[in-house]
Amino acid sequence: DAGVTQSPTHLIKTRGQHVTLRCSPISGHKSVSWYQQVLGQGPQFIFQYYEKEERGRGNFPDRFSARQFPNYSSELNVNALLLGDSALYLCASSLSGLSLGYQPQHFGDGTRLSIL
Amino acid sequence: GENVEQHPSTLSVQEGDSAVIKCTYSDSASNYFPWYKQELGKRPQLIIDIRSNVGEKKDQRIAVTLNKTAKHFSLHITETQPEDSAVYFCAASKEYGNKLVFGAGTILRVKS
Repeated sequence: DAGVTQSPTHLIKTRGQHVTLRCSPISGHKSVSWYQQVLGQGPQFIFQYYEKEERGRGNFPDRFSARQFPNYSSELNVNALLLGDSALYLCASSLSGLSLGYQPQHFGDGTRLSIL
Repeated sequence: GENVEQHPSTLSVQEGDSAVIKCTYSDSASNYFPWYKQELGKRPQLIIDIRSNVGEKKDQRIAVTLNKTAKHFSLHITETQPEDSAVYFCAASKEYGNKLVFGAGTILRVKS
């Protein structure tokens, strides 16, 4: 089975632009979460989506938004890019929200976003 | 909000020795504690996890212990091998695995 897939793998943008990152979860997984990993730090939670609804949001500005589609894939959008948005953006999927109890998250390879 | 502190930031051990990485969490409501291994340029990979109703879990050369009273949990790797060299992250969740809060990571170097 394919794992979590993300596209693109690398992206270079300039300040002020916007970007869309994409994620396909593991087959059967209905929950998708997004994390930002700045070089040398642990991943930071941005969003969680389950069954197309936002289930959680981390401490990120409104420039960050996301959505989940009926096939459970997801997009992360970032507007008005800043130099500080340069990071590895990781997508993780899990089986569900809370109803099935503990559900480990499985990560994709990430999208490396560089802002010039 | 929840905070997870991880120590040490770097750890060098000789091949065959044991390695221990420790984490402390702040939110007593946390109920799930996974450990991820991230090799350079690769995805974080789940290596072991523990739930709040268990004190210890072992899987071959790796084990995790949890002290809920002290809000500490630790990763133990025995008989380390060069391929264990990577960055290890601890994390905590109070929603059964959702909304993970990560530690800052430990760079483990196993010298042969």
